[in-house]
Amino acid sequence: QKEVEQDPGPLSVPEGAIVSLNCTYSNSAFQYFMWYRQYSRKGPELLMYTYSSGNKEDGRFTAQVDKSSKYISLFIRDSQPSDSATYLCATIFQGAQKLVFGQGTRLTINP
Amino acid sequence: DVKVTQSSRYLVKRTGEKVFLECVQDMDHENMFWYRQDPGLGLRLIYFSYDVKMKEKGDIPEGYSVSREKKERFSLILESASTNQTSMYLCASSDSGGTSYEQYFGPGTRLTVT
Repeated sequence: QKEVEQDPGPLSVPEGAIVSLNCTYSNSAFQYFMWYRQYSRKGPELLMYTYSSGNKEDGRFTAQVDKSSKYISLFIRDSQPSDSATYLCATIFQGAQKLVFGQGTRLTINP
Repeated sequence: DVKVTQSSRYLVKRTGEKVFLECVQDMDHENMFWYRQDPGLGLRLIYFSYDVKMKEKGDIPEGYSVSREKKERFSLILESASTNQTSMYLCASSDSGGTSYEQYFGPGTRLTVT
């Protein structure tokens, strides 16, 4: 079993829709939870991170972590064609240096 | 602006050739990483270096080696390239203070082995 599981998609939605991207993880000791965004022919970039459980909002993006169910979510409101990218969830232990990534979900927002 | 650069965007090599992939970062980061990215498998860590001349195997080190002689430069070496090493290779760096949740990635090298 992979430490972090993510549905690779692809996921295609119309512009303006609310997008929900999800991951599950297996080790309850993970403390930081991240979402990276990767545009085509580019490297991933950190989009958001959350420490422990709870929600974090940044503009149209909301990251949510439920440690009781080991579930990580990213919500995109009013999705735009410029949001089309691969989204990778990732996690890390407190004080650690190496990330554990999900497989990535390829998202397309259709105008 | 922080930057991680990789020596080539696209590379085509023949089976059995020795291949060098170079990565340079300008952020004075202690940590550097090599990943490969394949459809459906996500990012898989090949090797990690936490200091000059220090290295640690990742999840899939077989068939690869690395070299870090200077802090800013981390090289990935395919000793004898094989077709199953055709992939996108990504280099990343991070600061070592505290929990290193943010890694900075290069643009990637798409390697094709024929």
